Amino acid sequence: DAKTTQPTSMDCAEGRAANLPCNHSTISGNEYVYWYRQIHSQGPQYIIHGLKNNETNEMASLIITEDRKSSTLILPHATLRDTAVYYCIASTSGSRLTFGEGTQLTVNP
Amino acid sequence: EAQVTQNPRYLITVTGKKLTVTCSQNMNHEYMSWYRQDPGLGLRQIYYSMNVEVTDKGDVPEGYKVSRKEKRNFPLILESPSPNQTSLYFCASSLRGSGIGTGELFFGEGSRLTVL
Repeated sequence: DAKTTQPTSMDCAEGRAANLPCNHSTISGNEYVYWYRQIHSQGPQYIIHGLKNNETNEMASLIITEDRKSSTLILPHATLRDTAVYYCIASTSGSRLTFGEGTQLTVNP
Repeated sequence: EAQVTQNPRYLITVTGKKLTVTCSQNMNHEYMSWYRQDPGLGLRQIYYSMNVEVTDKGDVPEGYKVSRKEKRNFPLILESPSPNQTSLYFCASSLRGSGIGTGELFFGEGSRLTVL
C-alpha cells in the first residue's frame, strides 16, 4: 500500500469547515483512498473512501486531485464532537488496512 | 443494531495466565481481524480471517492465536500473556476481505488489557 503523509495536528473553529490534507504521491491506479477517525480510544469509525472521483456522504466530502497524489477530507461544519484522530489510508483492500499516526483534529468552541 | 462486540472491555491479569478476548459480529461479515494499538505505533494488525476456518498472520502475530469456527466469532487467545502484550485491542469486521474497494471496516469498542 502507498505511504500517506498527514499533518500531526490541526485546529478548527466550531461551525467552520475542517479541511484535512493527505499526501499519497506514490499511490497506484488500483488503490483507493480511505478515511477513518478515532474519537479518544474508541474503535475507529469509517468516514468515506474514493478512487478518483470526488465523493460526498452524510459525514464528509472527499476531494482527490486529478493526479491522485493528494486528497482532502472536508467536514463542512465541524462540531466539538468531530474532535478526533483522522486517518488517511491508501489501499487496494478496504479490509487489510494499515493505520498510521493520523491527524489530531481539535475543534475549538 | 449492526455491531462488533468485544469482551472483556477491561482486564488486568498476570504473566502466564491464559486469557481469551472474544469478538462477535452480527452482520454476517466474511472478514474479521484483530488489531492492537500502542502509543506512537498506531494500529497494528495481529491476525485476520477471510472466512470460516481461514486465518492468517498480520503484522504482529507473535504471542497470539486465533480461531474462526463460526462466521460470527473470532476470539483472540493469549496462551501465556507477557507485559509487552499490555495494549488496547480492537476487533474489526467487513463484508468481505478481498476485491478492489472492499467495504468499510466496522470496529468494536476495544479491550484494554494490562498484563502485570
